[in-house]
Amino acid sequence: GESVGLHLPTLSVQEGDNSIINCAYSNSASDYFIWYKQESGKGPQFIIDIRSNMDKRQGQRVTVLLNKTVKHLSLQIAATQPGDSAVYFCAEKSGGSYIPTFGRGTSLIVHP
Amino acid sequence: KAGVTQTPRYLIKTRGQQVTLSCSPISGHRSVSWYQQTPGQGLQFLFEYFSETQRNKGNFPGRFSGRQFSNSRSEMNVSTLELGDSALYLCASSAGGRVDSSNEKLFFGSGTQLSVL
Repeated sequence: GESVGLHLPTLSVQEGDNSIINCAYSNSASDYFIWYKQESGKGPQFIIDIRSNMDKRQGQRVTVLLNKTVKHLSLQIAATQPGDSAVYFCAEKSGGSYIPTFGRGTSLIVHP
Repeated sequence: KAGVTQTPRYLIKTRGQQVTLSCSPISGHRSVSWYQQTPGQGLQFLFEYFSETQRNKGNFPGRFSGRQFSNSRSEMNVSTLELGDSALYLCASSAGGRVDSSNEKLFFGSGTQLSVL
């Protein structure tokens, strides 16, 4: 079946840098995308979402960009902090489905 | 509002045994989903319950089962445990009513770490 995947399994950055985590999806019917953050010993935590009728959505220090032409999703974290170190998952969902499909995750390591 | 609560936090079992995991969703949430998380396979969907009915099911063998009670609390059971069942089992809740509304967000518990020896 179609799946969601991530380009980079591990991303290392310096504190204060901007981080970009990428995600490719293959289901052209997907119309809702979510980013989750999972810290060690915890369950995934919702960060930000975006619907397919938008190209960009901003939150607090985070921005999600959606490029439907190339089926690409990215999460940008501004001024990355050590507390941002975690595994980040993208997930996609198509209309009519209650269940999102998760990507494999990218580990973000922030060096102080 | 209290978050999603999963018990127990850790479990150690031996092959052939069975195990029951519990999940209490956020108050007012009617949908509960279960996921298996392993380093190699990532987050794999097990099943989803809504109003005491299994609404969606993933590709897991029949040894994995679940149920939901009238108060939306859910349990999942794994029978005849195998070594490969060692994983973090995550429960997530959502309002679960309309598929196209903002209640699509999943709220996860911290999981139950199951080790099968």
